[in-house]
Amino acid sequence: EPEVTQTPSHQVTQMGQEVILRCVPISNHLYFYWYRQILGQKVEFLVSFYNNEISEKSEIFDDQFSVERPDGSNFTLKIRSTKLEDSAMYFCASSEMSNNEQFFGPGTRLTVL
Amino acid sequence: RKEVEQDPGPFNVPEGATVAFNCTYSNSASQSFFWYRQDCRKEPKLLMSVYSSGNEDGRFTAQLNRASQYISLLIRDSKLSDSATYLCVVNIPMDSNYQLIWGAGTKLIIKP
Repeated sequence: EPEVTQTPSHQVTQMGQEVILRCVPISNHLYFYWYRQILGQKVEFLVSFYNNEISEKSEIFDDQFSVERPDGSNFTLKIRSTKLEDSAMYFCASSEMSNNEQFFGPGTRLTVL
Repeated sequence: RKEVEQDPGPFNVPEGATVAFNCTYSNSASQSFFWYRQDCRKEPKLLMSVYSSGNEDGRFTAQLNRASQYISLLIRDSKLSDSATYLCVVNIPMDSNYQLIWGAGTKLIIKP
C-alpha cells in the first residue's frame, strides 16, 4: 500500500538555525500539505501546495517558513531561523484531490534548543 | 463558536461496550467529513470518510446530520486496541480549494 514518508524522524537543532524537513507524498497525489502538532495540542494546518504553488496557508506559516517541490517526488518544508516555539511534530500529508481524504506521513519531531 | 468542536473526554469504557462520540461544526458549506484516529506520538490515520448521510465499516459507524451540523462516530464491541484519540475533521471550501479543519480530538480509553 502506498504511503507518505518523511525524513528525518527526529531533528534536533539550535535556536536560529535553519532546518529542512523532507516528505515524499504518495506518487499519484496532486495536493500536498504540512501540519504541525505541539505536544498535547491539536493538529494545526500550516500550508497546502498544488501545481507547484502554495494554495492556502495559515497564520502560523509566516516568512520564516517556505515550501518547495524541488523534483518530482520530494516536498520540503524549510524553517529559516528556528525558534523554541517551533518545537513540535511536523506532519506531511497528501491527497488525490483537494476535497479528498488526506494521508499522513509518520512525522518529524523537531526539537529546538 | 469553534469551527469544529469535540468533547475532549477521556471516555473510559469497558472492553466490549459501545461508545459514541459527537462532533459539531460551524460552517454549513462543509462538503466532506472524516474521522481520524491518532495514537500517542503517531500520525493521524484515516478511519472513515463521510460524504453523504453516513458510512459503516465493521464495528464503526459514522453518521452525518447536516441540518444540525454534527457528525457522530459509533464504535461497537470495543477492543483494547481502540484506545486512541479520535479526531473529527471537516473539509470546508476556501476560494478555489478546500481546507481541513481539525477538532481537538476525543480521547478514548478501553479498559479490560
